[in-house]
Amino acid sequence: NAGVTQTPKFRILKIGQSMTLQCTQDMNHNYMYWYRQDPGMGLKLIYYSVGAGITDKGEVPNGYNVSRSTTEDFPLRLELAAPSQTSVYFCASSETRPKTLEAFFGQGTRLTVV
Amino acid sequence: DQQVKQNSPSLSVQEGRISILNCDYTNSMFDYFLWYKKYPAEGPTFLISISSIKDKNEDGRFTVFLNKSAKHLSLHIVPSQPGDSAVYFCAASAQETSGSRLTFGEGTQLTVNP
Repeated sequence: NAGVTQTPKFRILKIGQSMTLQCTQDMNHNYMYWYRQDPGMGLKLIYYSVGAGITDKGEVPNGYNVSRSTTEDFPLRLELAAPSQTSVYFCASSETRPKTLEAFFGQGTRLTVV
Repeated sequence: DQQVKQNSPSLSVQEGRISILNCDYTNSMFDYFLWYKKYPAEGPTFLISISSIKDKNEDGRFTVFLNKSAKHLSLHIVPSQPGDSAVYFCAASAQETSGSRLTFGEGTQLTVNP
């Protein structure tokens, strides 16, 4: 009964390095999302996907890329890491309207760029 | 443009008393509202939701009230328990948005004192 699984849980990157945050869900949800949460702030949507092969930008997409080759996986790629990308990243998935809008979240990845 | 706002960063209440968390929104297209609870080092978990066709939804100790004319919703927790201490996020979704994506408020840190 895993739900949404994110790896890694913690990571320190140097400025200019790249990395991929992994996210997988086992609930067969069509919708998947990447959010970031900065201290004292709410969750901001980075990218989302409504199904395999379909992705779109959210509020804060700059500096990130995503892909969705399967229903289960939705990796987030950071190219040329910058200190402004220091944040906690959450992956989420949900069913579609009109069933429910409840999104299930992973445990988060705490990323520090130094 | 902050479409969902939680104006109280923190709230402290005594165990057994009522906790009232507030949320305001500006987008009149929002038609579904959710509350999430978040403990440190964990992802947000769904608590309760309400559709815009209702003005109240109750689930055990948790009740959400929606005042559409004022564009305001609130979460009532009665009675409050120490285990309710967490950050609470208000979120909203609009029917016409692709992916049913959620817009989050900044969060309110609730502390319930024994």
